[in-house]
Amino acid sequence: QKEVEQNSGPLSVPEGAIASLNCTYSDRVSQSFFWYRQYSGKSPELIMSIYSNGDKEDGRFTAQLNKASQYVSLLIRDSQPSDSATYLCAGAWAGGFKTIFGAGTRLFVKA
Amino acid sequence: NAGVMQNPRHLVRRRGQEARLRCSPMKGHSHVYWYRQLPEEGLKFMVYLQKENIIDESGMPKERFSAEFPKEGPSILRIQQVVRGDSAAYFCASSPRGNDNSPLHFGNGTRLTVT
Repeated sequence: QKEVEQNSGPLSVPEGAIASLNCTYSDRVSQSFFWYRQYSGKSPELIMSIYSNGDKEDGRFTAQLNKASQYVSLLIRDSQPSDSATYLCAGAWAGGFKTIFGAGTRLFVKA
Repeated sequence: NAGVMQNPRHLVRRRGQEARLRCSPMKGHSHVYWYRQLPEEGLKFMVYLQKENIIDESGMPKERFSAEFPKEGPSILRIQQVVRGDSAAYFCASSPRGNDNSPLHFGNGTRLTVT
């Protein structure tokens, strides 16, 4: 039983478009969520943290959390080819100590 | 650079040998996590340690794998009698607090190849 699920993709969008990445979680996962970006052969890099319902914006990135639907998403506006990477959704386990990762969604931004 | 430091970056071992992976957390961080990533897969939790204590090792294989984080020095992930299935990228992460609000900061990883 997976606790954090993502569509593995690949998701392909044209340059300048909005990329929408989605993630669902089981009720065992706490309400602290993170989005990481991982380029091929590199380590994960934190993009966004979100802890409460609603939207959180940081530059071209917007994270959305809906606790009632157990759903978290990441929107990337004005997508650039340099955004092409795997995006990992992660949640911290309530009452535990580990951060649980989804399998990741591969994003391709076509120039 | 006060980031998470892992070494070596690449490690090649023959089947049956031992692999030792080292991780120094970010300055001011006393919580260390080890994750394994197989090609084209996500990160799988292995173990969470604080100084001198293993807090959660629920993701560690029962045999051949061990981890420590001594009072002095880096955290060590040790794999004895490696097999080809151990080939993977091993990432270490650290956080300042061990609660569920702390995002993890990752090192560059150690890529283990077992021949």
